[in-house]
Amino acid sequence: QVLLQESGPGLVKPSGTLSLTCAVSGDSISGRNWWSWVRQPPGQGLEWIGEISHDGSTNDNPSLKSRVTMSIDKSRNQFSLKLRSVTAADTAVYYCARVTLAGPPLDYWGQGTLVTVSS
Amino acid sequence: QSVLTQPPSASGTPGQRVIISCSGSSSNIGNNPINWYQQLPGTAPKLLIYNNNQRPSGVPDRFSVSKSGTSASLAISGLQSEDEADYYCAGWDDSRNGRVFGGGTKLTVL
Repeated sequence: QVLLQESGPGLVKPSGTLSLTCAVSGDSISGRNWWSWVRQPPGQGLEWIGEISHDGSTNDNPSLKSRVTMSIDKSRNQFSLKLRSVTAADTAVYYCARVTLAGPPLDYWGQGTLVTVSS
Repeated sequence: QSVLTQPPSASGTPGQRVIISCSGSSSNIGNNPINWYQQLPGTAPKLLIYNNNQRPSGVPDRFSVSKSGTSASLAISGLQSEDEADYYCAGWDDSRNGRVFGGGTKLTVL
């Protein structure tokens, strides 16, 4: 069974950097799948942030204006997200999820972690 | 404003058939598979339908999808109380080179 678990600070100051990690079990992050981040502001819908492959290739949402950096750590079987210059509008539940190559997209999700941007 | 357009709400009584629409464009639904996610209150989204009409293991065949041009619809037949959730359509957008979601439809079982 594939499990994903997000971790990171639940509170970030405005203009700071949001940093999250997603630990993966039951699948190798070095394989052919991609690994994605999705967020959901309170009471709102889902927004795709971006995704990263095993070789570090990335795609990200242009609406986030290049504030996003994603990375993978094969030794720990986890991947990470950094979002710079955060504002209150970045307050959301952040999910990590798996995208299978040529298969179901976003088929396994983490439980999500709430990140609040506030001073 | 979401790239894919869904009605904000839908409702039905137990046993009924409910349809949720999703409208897009030639750069997303019109040229790529559509996927649907179900989000029960307080939980992470769950993949419901992928590649237009494929159901992951465990998803009942009460859930089905139709697609035509730049629009798609999720049909839920034999509505049950446990179907009460938010439903999102999603897909790849070629012009944005990324994934896009609909705004979500809150389904209420009356």
